[in-house]
Amino acid sequence: SQTIHQWPATLVQPVGSPLSLECTVEGTSNPNLYWYRQAAGRGLQLLFYSVGIGQISSEVPQNLSASRPQDRQFILSSKKLLLSDSGFYLCAWNKGEPQETQYFGPGTRLLVL
Amino acid sequence: DAKTTQPPSMDCAEGRAANLPCNHSTISGNEYVYWYRQIHSQGPQYIIHGLKNNETNEMASLIITEDRKSSTLILPHATLRDTAVYYCIVRVGNNYGQNFVFGPGTRLSVLP
Repeated sequence: SQTIHQWPATLVQPVGSPLSLECTVEGTSNPNLYWYRQAAGRGLQLLFYSVGIGQISSEVPQNLSASRPQDRQFILSSKKLLLSDSGFYLCAWNKGEPQETQYFGPGTRLLVL
Repeated sequence: DAKTTQPPSMDCAEGRAANLPCNHSTISGNEYVYWYRQIHSQGPQYIIHGLKNNETNEMASLIITEDRKSSTLILPHATLRDTAVYYCIVRVGNNYGQNFVFGPGTRLSVLP
């Protein structure tokens, strides 16, 4: 069966510091991968998606970037965090067509102080 | 793009059926209805999805009206662990960047 992992689970970072969040998927190959952000009490906002190694598409202009160095690894980064980057970051995957069911990881809660 | 409306909150007694409604009056013919739930501080969990016919799996049943303008998620015997925010989602496009727009959902509280 497939599993998706994210780490760290929780992170507290000062403003202006760098960020690296990691997501890995097991039990499948060539998945579509997604990064979402969820602000407190709100729905999910799609940040990035990737349909293959080195292929990244961004949905909204922002302070963050994403990379996919390996087939089942998706990384969310920032060179300098802003207060507004605080939130709950979720990685998701699916296979095949974009409308196929997405499966989410456990999330990383980021607090920027 | 079809949008969904859900009640912000609902209560249900433990052991009883929980019926969560969703309106999607502008849904297109090729758009599916998906349901996810999110327990506090966890990632969303897939529950069920459907196009036209009613669907059932080990977690829930999905009833879609004949005109497809609304649907109901049914948890047949709600437990305390079913307390979560439930999201009704219509697939909003056929490209990767328009997937799964999550609204505020329904906060279901299962009461002992």
